[in-house]
Amino acid sequence: GENVEQHPSTLSVQEGDSAVIKCTYSDSASNYFPWYKQELGKGPQLIIDIRSNVGEKKDQRIAVTLNKTAKHFSLHITETQPEDSAVYFCAASIWVDSSYKLIFGSGTRLLVRP
Amino acid sequence: NAGVTQTPKFQVLKTGQSMTLQCAQDMNHEYMSWYRQDPGMGLRLIHYSVGAGITDQGEVPNGYNVSRSTTEDFPLRLLSAAPSQTSVYFCASSYSDVNTEAFFGQGTRLTVV
Repeated sequence: GENVEQHPSTLSVQEGDSAVIKCTYSDSASNYFPWYKQELGKGPQLIIDIRSNVGEKKDQRIAVTLNKTAKHFSLHITETQPEDSAVYFCAASIWVDSSYKLIFGSGTRLLVRP
Repeated sequence: NAGVTQTPKFQVLKTGQSMTLQCAQDMNHEYMSWYRQDPGMGLRLIHYSVGAGITDQGEVPNGYNVSRSTTEDFPLRLLSAAPSQTSVYFCASSYSDVNTEAFFGQGTRLTVV
């Protein structure tokens, strides 16, 4: 079936450094790619999303890039801070059985060392 | 607005017992869904609903039932709990469909012994 692969599973960076998380998807018809941040004991929360008609989107220290030809998209966090430590999930909307469904990657645990 | 509210937060069941996980949203969202989260596997879609009276299956529907009698509520029923259903369950809602922001509840941690 359709899937979303996410790498790396864990990422440790020094405060102030950049962090990059990468995802690939299998369905060429996917058109919506959100990123969620999950803090300990909480539900995931949307931090940024991108649609298939855009190649890049930025929001302060966070940016997402999309390469539709290669079917991959990435999350970039610059000037990382300890509060960025969390689990990050990518997702892609996939057309299955006459409707779109959101398929998630397996998650990346980001640790920002002070 | 409370957003998406899930109850209970924690539950322990014995194998074979049944129970209902509650989910309510106060944002007048049409689309609601249930996911389970297991270590190393991300979030997997169990069931979803595009509006009151309409439900459909996701990736891992076996052992679960849902109903959507109102826009606000979307309960998830475990018919006969099994240890394989030990997981953290999240309910989410979106304004129209999956191509808009999903708002998640705080989760229900379920242990089946």
